[in-house]
Amino acid sequence: KQEVTQIPAALSVPEGENLVLNCSFTDSAIYNLQWFRQDPGKGLTSLLLIQSSQREQTSGRLNASLDKSSGRSTLYIAASQPGDSATYLCAVNRGSTLGRLYFGRGTQLTVWP
Amino acid sequence: NAGVTQTPKFQVLKTGQSMTLQCAQDMNHNSMYWYRQDPGMGLRLIYYSASEGTTDKGEVPNGYNVSRLNKREFSLRLESAAPSQTSVYFCASIHSDRVEADTQYFGPGTRLTVL
Repeated sequence: KQEVTQIPAALSVPEGENLVLNCSFTDSAIYNLQWFRQDPGKGLTSLLLIQSSQREQTSGRLNASLDKSSGRSTLYIAASQPGDSATYLCAVNRGSTLGRLYFGRGTQLTVWP
Repeated sequence: NAGVTQTPKFQVLKTGQSMTLQCAQDMNHNSMYWYRQDPGMGLRLIYYSASEGTTDKGEVPNGYNVSRLNKREFSLRLESAAPSQTSVYFCASIHSDRVEADTQYFGPGTRLTVL
């Protein structure tokens, strides 16, 4: 069974800091890895998707990397802002069940002014 | 485009009552999913439908049934609600022609409390 772990569980930083969220998974046979953002009381919004053949993806101030062989991904957020405060979820798609995602428990990020 | 919509947004049930959670997507997606999210745990798959007319169990299917009514709609039914089913339920969909490159789209969730 695929296990997905996210570290840290919570993070509180002042505005402007660069920060790194970590995700690890136990089975390296994945189709892709996705990072989602979840605001309190809301659904999930996809931030970045890295296909198994790719090493990283970038969107604005966000950069996600993937190292399949070691079972790790990192989400880098540059110049953090209070609006970045949310829970960030990592999920992997193994492909064994079409499209099914295995989620980590998330990192709760607070960026204070 | 509304994306993925879910009704109701909130629901309180008594133990033993039944209800159906509705989900619809307007993106012409093939595959649809029901997840539950509990405090301190990641989202867990309840049931999924790879295509219209098919449904399969996920990780935590006990106590639930599903119906893929048509390509747009995928409902989740609790026949006899239990307090352990108190959770936030999310519906998701994906086009699935290119699973490796397709992202999942999530609805806003249904917050269910069973007393």
